[in-house]
Parts: sequence; structure tokens; C-alpha cells
Amino acid sequence: EPEVTQTPSHQVTQMGQEVILRCVPISNHLYFYWYRQILGQKVEFLVSFYNNEISEKSEIFDDQFSVERPDGSNFTLKIRSTKLEDSAMYFCASSPPRAGAITDTQYFGPGTRLTVL
Amino acid sequence: AQKITQTQPGMFVQEKEAVTLDCTYDTSDQSYGLFWYKQPSSGEMIFLIYQGSYDEQNATEGRYSLNFQKARKSANLVISASQLGDSAMYFCAMSPNTGNQFYFGTGTSLTVIP
Repeated sequence: EPEVTQTPSHQVTQMGQEVILRCVPISNHLYFYWYRQILGQKVEFLVSFYNNEISEKSEIFDDQFSVERPDGSNFTLKIRSTKLEDSAMYFCASSPPRAGAITDTQYFGPGTRLTVL
Repeated sequence: AQKITQTQPGMFVQEKEAVTLDCTYDTSDQSYGLFWYKQPSSGEMIFLIYQGSYDEQNATEGRYSLNFQKARKSANLVISASQLGDSAMYFCAMSPNTGNQFYFGTGTSLTVIP
């Protein structure tokens, strides 16, 4: 069964460093998302991406964040200068378009646990 | 504005018993989708079940069913015949449309007791 994959599973970085989190969405999906979950808290939306551009972003997704689909399979989240409060689990998700559906299931990857020291 | 509320931070259920996890939502959209996800201690988010706002029948997926009461804006998850492997966090989520963000509740931690 196709699944969303994410690398690395765990990333440790120093405050102020840049990190790139990588995701490979399910191959026939067209909508891609990043969410984060601070330890013990609920999942929060960061950004959605469709047709090679951001379609929606939250207040969390400030100038320090960027997303890119550099090729036909990868979807990346870059944090330019990490802060302590960026420590969280970052989930990538993807969903297929389905004619007639109100909304489609978002399938989540296993997450990347980012620790900023 | 969209809001999802899960009022049960923790629940316990005896193995083989059924359990209901509560979820209420608030939205001004006429059409939307409701979802439940399971998050085991390993951290991944596993899709369980979906209900569209126009679906007249309650959704079922194996041991999972969604008790959808549109007038009350509730979408409770019912797990029948609980198993030890059901112990996890359960999140309710809502989205108005494909391509839009999911709004998540704060989750319910379910513990299945042998």
C-alpha cells in the first residue's frame, strides 16, 4: 500500500542553523501539506501546496519557513534559522483530488522529530 | 472559524468492550469532512475513518464507526471490541474542502485494560 515517507526520522540541530525536512508524498497525490505537533499538544497546520505553489499557510509559517517541490517526488520544508520553539514533530501529508468529494483524506507520513538545542 | 473540541483528555476501557470518544465541531461551512486519526506512542498519524457532512449514513470501517449527529455538530468515534493495540491518542479533525488545512482537536488518550 502506498505511503508517505519522511526523512530523517529524527533531526537534532543547534539554534540558528538551517534544517531541511524531506517528504515523499504518495505518487498520484496532488495536494501536499506540512503540520507540526509540539510535544503533548495538538497537530497544527503550517502550509498546503498545490500546483507548485502555496495554497494556504498559517500564522506559524513565517519568513523563516519555506517549502519546495524540487522534483516530481520530493516535498521539502526548510527552516532557515531554527529557534528553540521550533522543536516539534513535523508531519508531511498528501491527499488526492477526487471528483465529487467534499474533501479528501490526508495521509500522513511517520513524522520527523526536530530537536533544537 | 473552525473549531474541534475533544473534551475527554483520557479514557480507559476494558479489553473487548466498546468505547466512545467524543468530538464536537464548530463551522459555518455547509459542506465539510470529518476524520479520526490514531496516534500510537511511536508517533505516526494513522487515518481511521471519514464522514462527509452530506453523508446520511454513519461511516463504518471494521471495528470503527462514526456516530455523526449533524444537528448537534458531533462526530463521535465508536471502537467496538477494544484490543490492547487500540491504546493510543485519538484525534478528531475537520476540513471544509480538499486542499484546505485540517483542524485538529486536542486528542483523547485511550488506554485499553486487559
